[in-house]
Amino acid sequence: GQQLNQSPQSMFIQEGEDVSMNCTSSSIFNTWLWYKQDPGEGPVLLIALYKAGELTSNGRLTAQFGITRKDSFLNISASIPSDVGIYFCAGLLNDYKLSFGAGTTVTVRA
Amino acid sequence: SQTIHQWPATLVQPVGSPLSLECTVEGTSNPNLYWYRQAAGRGLQLLFYSVGIGQISSEVPQNLSASRPQDRQFILSSKKLLLSDSGFYLCAWEDREHYGYTFGSGTRLTVV
Repeated sequence: GQQLNQSPQSMFIQEGEDVSMNCTSSSIFNTWLWYKQDPGEGPVLLIALYKAGELTSNGRLTAQFGITRKDSFLNISASIPSDVGIYFCAGLLNDYKLSFGAGTTVTVRA
Repeated sequence: SQTIHQWPATLVQPVGSPLSLECTVEGTSNPNLYWYRQAAGRGLQLLFYSVGIGQISSEVPQNLSASRPQDRQFILSSKKLLLSDSGFYLCAWEDREHYGYTFGSGTRLTVV
């Protein structure tokens, strides 16, 4: 599959802070997805983006599908302790296979 | 509603032993099914996917195989496990309506 570069690899954030992570690719995608994985669990879909330029929110989460179709970002506003986990971006072109980023590990300082 | 079941949750197996992990999906028909592996602290690596009964595509040549004997059943197998097969194995199905994948809760495999 296509290579996705996700950054940062990890972050420590203060409770109440806004945070941002992003994903870039050398290839274009038709769909961008953001997942969160809690320890010992499977990833859970947070936000799905289907159109270049699209900005979508889900509670305190906001994600955007880049105009070039080669990037996406995820913002978390007003962090809380349960935001701890690993966040993955994923891209889908026209085939059946999602390509995943390596993940951003988020740790919240109380 | 659709659900995905994956078992067992954890497994400790000796090197050279066989493996069989099972995944079943409920509430949908003819789903695309996937097996991923996640090494400790790493991202998700696609191992196999299936678009129908008996149809398996392998992404990474390795010590594992997959089968889809029924529409909503996907099995990951090995004849002889290696230490390097340790990891967190995730099954997923594709929700074509929402273009997202839904993952099972995973199997933590430790080969000793």
